[in-house]
Amino acid sequence: DAGVIQSPRHEVTEMGQEVTLRCKPISGHDYLFWYRQTMMRGLELLIYFNNNVPIDDSGMPEDRFSAKMPNASFSTLKIQPSEPRDSAVYFCASSGEGWSYEQYFGPGTRLTVT
Amino acid sequence: QKEVEQNSGPLSVPEGAIASLNCTYSDRVSQSFFWYRQYSGKSPELIMSIYSNGDKEDGRFTAQLNKASQYVSLLIRDSQPSDSATYLCAVNNQGGKLIFGQGTELSVKP
Repeated sequence: DAGVIQSPRHEVTEMGQEVTLRCKPISGHDYLFWYRQTMMRGLELLIYFNNNVPIDDSGMPEDRFSAKMPNASFSTLKIQPSEPRDSAVYFCASSGEGWSYEQYFGPGTRLTVT
Repeated sequence: QKEVEQNSGPLSVPEGAIASLNCTYSDRVSQSFFWYRQYSGKSPELIMSIYSNGDKEDGRFTAQLNKASQYVSLLIRDSQPSDSATYLCAVNNQGGKLIFGQGTELSVKP
């Protein structure tokens, strides 16, 4: 069974540009999570969805960040406009097999904003 | 007080020794507890889940949970250099959301 799929794996962009990160969760999982990881702040939860509905977006840093989940097999995290301080590794994770809440992470997208 | 606390390390142990990683959490209603391993440049990988008080063993790994003391630990027996990684403790206390600790860096010296 395929794991969580993320694209692109690496993204280098200039300040002010729009960035779109993509995620395909594990089939059958009904929770999807977006995280950001930096050396300074560790692993931060940005937003999570349940059955395609955003449940908690309190971790989204500011209005420049937005996330959507148009269907059960696809989600996007968009940054517009991007800034150098957005440089980080962004992970998508999914869970939902019963009550266990075990989360499985994708390989991540390493974003560099110059 | 942070919701989930771990010693940042680094924790250094010789090959073959037992590595002991500790985690405390603040919310008494927490129900599910997880240990993730993260190699440098890679994503977190789930290695252990524990839901009830006591010990749970899986190969060289043992997770220990004490809800009264709000404490969860991970023991790695016969540590190998390949175990060198950052270990993240995570706790579930609100729907599907996990709260992660900052992680403990483990270094196993040959």
